[in-house]
Amino acid sequence: GDSGTQMEGPVTLSEEAFLTINCTYTATGYPSLFWYVQYPGEGLQLLLKATKADDKGSNKGFEATYRKETTSFHLEKGSVQVSDSAVYFCALTQGGSEKLVFGKGMKLTVNP
Amino acid sequence: DAGITQSPRHKVTETGTPVTLRCHQTENHRYMYWYRQDPGHGLRLIHYSYGVKDTDKGEVSDGYSVSRSKTEDFLLTLESATSSQTSVYFCAISEIGGMRRQDNSPLHFGNGTRLTVT
Repeated sequence: GDSGTQMEGPVTLSEEAFLTINCTYTATGYPSLFWYVQYPGEGLQLLLKATKADDKGSNKGFEATYRKETTSFHLEKGSVQVSDSAVYFCALTQGGSEKLVFGKGMKLTVNP
Repeated sequence: DAGITQSPRHKVTETGTPVTLRCHQTENHRYMYWYRQDPGHGLRLIHYSYGVKDTDKGEVSDGYSVSRSKTEDFLLTLESATSSQTSVYFCAISEIGGMRRQDNSPLHFGNGTRLTVT
């Protein structure tokens, strides 16, 4: 079935470092792709999304581009902050269904 | 928060006892979901509902049942809890399901219920 594979971490960075979290997917057809973020003690929140090839999603300084040729949707941020410490999940919709499939999540810790 | 309340927030129960978790929404959204979150597995879909009395299984539905008698409430029941069901359970809602959701309506999650089965 459709799935997303992402770096699992955990990853620790210093404030203002560059962040990349890899996500590659396996899917039939053309899924929509998402990044969700989970802050400590909370549920997941949508961070950004892309619905077709070459779309770039962006929010809060984070970006990800839907790359059909490499089946990837890597998350990037040029300068992380302590407040970005969270668990990040890539996800995709299974074609033609109501189900959203999540990767295993990657815990990011940003130190001052 | 998108008007989603999960109860209880924490529960400890013994193996073999029944447990019901409740998800209540005030958004009048059609679609509701139950996920469990476990280390090394991310989030896995247990069951979901696409309307009152309309439910379907997710990838890890064994040992769980659900009911949706009103738009605003989606109940998850463990008929006889086992230690493997110790987890954090998240409810989510969306206004639109299927391939249309990604354009207009992401999933909104509750804050979770931490269940421990001893």
